[in-house]
Amino acid sequence: SQKIEQNSEALNIQEGKTATLTCNYTNYSPAYLQWYRQDPGRGPVFLLLIRENEKEKRKERLKVTFDTTLKQSLFHITASQPADSATYLCALPKDSNYQLIWGAGTKLIIKP
Amino acid sequence: NAGVTQTPKFQVLKTGQSMTLQCAQDMNHEYMSWYRQDPGMGLRLIHYSVGAGITDQGEVPNGYNVSRSTTEDFPLRLLSAAPSQTSVYFCASSYSVSLRTGSDLAFFGQGTRLTVV
Repeated sequence: SQKIEQNSEALNIQEGKTATLTCNYTNYSPAYLQWYRQDPGRGPVFLLLIRENEKEKRKERLKVTFDTTLKQSLFHITASQPADSATYLCALPKDSNYQLIWGAGTKLIIKP
Repeated sequence: NAGVTQTPKFQVLKTGQSMTLQCAQDMNHEYMSWYRQDPGMGLRLIHYSVGAGITDQGEVPNGYNVSRSTTEDFPLRLLSAAPSQTSVYFCASSYSVSLRTGSDLAFFGQGTRLTVV
């Protein structure tokens, strides 16, 4: 079955360093992958989308890579700030036309 | 432009009670969906709709009903609440109904934290 895995352990990073989060998937080839940010008590908010034919996508301090051979996406936050602390979710389209499947998310903590 | 609005934000139910979670969007999106989010698990799709009058089941539909009489509204009904339905519920909408090849981002409501005792 199609499956997404994100590191369930919280990631602690010192302010100013680069944070790297991982999203691995199995048993299919998605056309794209999305990353969302979720703050406590709030709904997820879209950050970036990367298509299968794109190796890398950037938006300000954010960078996403997509390796379809490894079946993995990496999400980087450079020059991290305490305000970047949140849970980050990845999502991919399921084989069926109308559904996304979601990773459980990785909690990122940026320490001053 | 309010985006996706969910009500209520918090709710406590007794086992066996029924209730409706409300969801409305003002972006004229065709696709709407309901998810539940439990600790340590990804968002799981309950039901979705690709337009007014069209609904279908997601991954975990048992115990829930939906309807889509207008483009704007997509209520979720719990028929007879059970403790296993204690969760945080999110409504989301997207412009495109073709999620497999499309790339439209999902807009989420603020969530409803439901506790069934």
